[in-house]
Amino acid sequence: KQEVTQIPAALSVPEGENLVLNCSFTDSAIYNLQWFRQDPGKGLTSLLLIQSSQREQTSGRLNASLDKSSGRSTLYIAASQPGDSATYLCAVTSGNTPLVFGKGTRLSVIA
Amino acid sequence: DAGVIQSPRHEVTEMGQEVTLRCKPISGHNSLFWYRQTMMRGLELLIYFNNNVPIDDSGMPEDRFSAKMPNASFSTLKIQPSEPRDSAVYFCASSFKGPYEQYFGPGTRLTVT
Repeated sequence: KQEVTQIPAALSVPEGENLVLNCSFTDSAIYNLQWFRQDPGKGLTSLLLIQSSQREQTSGRLNASLDKSSGRSTLYIAASQPGDSATYLCAVTSGNTPLVFGKGTRLSVIA
Repeated sequence: DAGVIQSPRHEVTEMGQEVTLRCKPISGHNSLFWYRQTMMRGLELLIYFNNNVPIDDSGMPEDRFSAKMPNASFSTLKIQPSEPRDSAVYFCASSFKGPYEQYFGPGTRLTVT
């Protein structure tokens, strides 16, 4: 059974700092991996999707990497801003199995 | 597009009462997912429909939970009878690519007292 772990559970950084969020998964036979953002009281917004054949994806200040063989992904946020404060969730899909989520990392960017 | 629509946004009910949560997927999407989110267990898939047919309901916690999708534009998740441990945020998501690239609704916060 696929399990997804995110470390750390919470992170607080000063504005402007670059940061890395970590995600690990137990079964490397994944189809793709997604990073989501969740604001308090809101649904999930997809940030980046990496197919299993890809090593990374970039969107603006966000860069997600995937190392399928080691079961790891990282989300790099450059020049963090207070508006980046949210919970970031990692999720993987294996074959026809829908998304399995980690419990998320709660990020606070302090102005 | 209005995105995935869920109603109600908040529901407070007493233990033993029936609760019905509603979801309208994005037009044209053929897959629909119900999730439950709690602090302890995170986000868990309850059930997954494809073309209105349930594909995977292994996440439905027990017989008190049931889900239907009578047509491509509407789904319900029903809890009968409700219990305090059912208190959570319930999300609906839809996709046009099976389990991939899901779009989430804003969720329904359920409190059972």
